[in-house]
Amino acid sequence: GQNIDQPTEMTATEGAIVQINCTYQTSGFNGLFWYQQHAGEAPTFLSYNVLDGLEEKGRFSSFLSRSKGYSYLLLKELQMKDSASYLCAVMDSNYQLIWGAGTKLIIKP
Amino acid sequence: GAVVSQHPSRVICKSGTSVKIECRSLDFQATTMFWYRQFPKKSLMLMATSNEGSKATYEQGVEKDKFLINHASLTLSTLTVTSAHPEDSSFYICSASGQGATEAFFGQGTRLTVV
Repeated sequence: GQNIDQPTEMTATEGAIVQINCTYQTSGFNGLFWYQQHAGEAPTFLSYNVLDGLEEKGRFSSFLSRSKGYSYLLLKELQMKDSASYLCAVMDSNYQLIWGAGTKLIIKP
Repeated sequence: GAVVSQHPSRVICKSGTSVKIECRSLDFQATTMFWYRQFPKKSLMLMATSNEGSKATYEQGVEKDKFLINHASLTLSTLTVTSAHPEDSSFYICSASGQGATEAFFGQGTRLTVV
């Protein structure tokens, strides 16, 4: 079956760095997405990886290894506003999105 | 985690016809539902936000008369694509959240093809 795994919850300190991992097993692969979702709001797009390697975008970076079925989202210089859920989603061979359950990130002062 | 069921997963329709997509929360009361559209290899585009019992709030550029959203109960929201055209072909996905919930849960998505 198809499966996306990511930690349920993580805690980090303001100003620090945190890495949120995502492993996946899907029928085919057409890219991996990371989304941020604040409580009560719609998810917002963070990154898209389809090739192996690291994509950097400001304080956020996303890494992909297709051979390992693995991605991570790296958040640097954490701010209190980064407290949110982070969703990993993989697009399979049918261009259907397979979603992880999300990682709730708690930032402490 | 909570389950959101979206139906149908795939639909092909003729140009000019209407298509209804259902989004159901199976084990919680969904006070808010979000409808998204996604083009291949692109991010989700929020179309509208609907709260149970009230009119949906549409994002700028989304035609409310073309994409009819109904959220009549706490477990069901529907998106009707009226007078569909080939350019409406896309992947539509819903997500739902409950009262005071910190996260929304996504449906599986619906791939609409208009021929």
